[in-house]
Amino acid sequence: DTGVSQNPRHKITKRGQNVTFRCDPISEHNRLYWYRQTLGQGPEFLTYFQNEAQLEKSRLLSDRFSAERPKGSFSTLEIQRTEQGDSAMYLCASSLDGYGTGSPNEQFFGPGTRLTVL
Amino acid sequence: GQQVMQIPQYQHVQEGEDFTTYCNSSTTLSNIQWYKQRPGGHPVFLIQLVKSGEVKKQKRLTFQFGEAKKNSSLHITATQTTDVGTYFCVGKTSYDKVIFGPGTSLSVIP
Repeated sequence: DTGVSQNPRHKITKRGQNVTFRCDPISEHNRLYWYRQTLGQGPEFLTYFQNEAQLEKSRLLSDRFSAERPKGSFSTLEIQRTEQGDSAMYLCASSLDGYGTGSPNEQFFGPGTRLTVL
Repeated sequence: GQQVMQIPQYQHVQEGEDFTTYCNSSTTLSNIQWYKQRPGGHPVFLIQLVKSGEVKKQKRLTFQFGEAKKNSSLHITATQTTDVGTYFCVGKTSYDKVIFGPGTSLSVIP
């Protein structure tokens, strides 16, 4: 399977605990996005990377959230001191952007990690 | 702040009826994309529109990008039960910012 993969698929944690999610994008894709989606809502942008550089981080994101993409391949999203309001589906997407590729810049989404904070 | 809005939020149609969802941005967009998310699934890319006034068709789906590049629409002719899902427009600004609309949830009654 050469699509975007995310692990774990489900995570249940207690309030105050730290959690880390992993995203493996499509191998040749240079951009990687993280989104949060709650029931009945559209995906909410969190942050994105161009290769290993984190180019934008949503102002809605508190300091408890951090993301890395150390070698420009996989990425991790960590949430520290989780709160019940963090319960959501966390989606990762990758795309091949820019450089005159002629591609439509479509984002390929992974299956998501569903986080439940008790 | 920059926003992308969609109407309606929900639409229930009888199978065979047409369906349209509208997308409006508070700012001029460099391009707009449309995604479909089935219940329990993840968003799947449908199409990208780049040019002012652009119209693209995919079988029963027709996509339009407004002349001012601030609005877009998706029209489905003769809906089928396989069209069920939430349709999102995604605006990309000149600053490379990606903004998802809230989506229009389509239900098709057989």
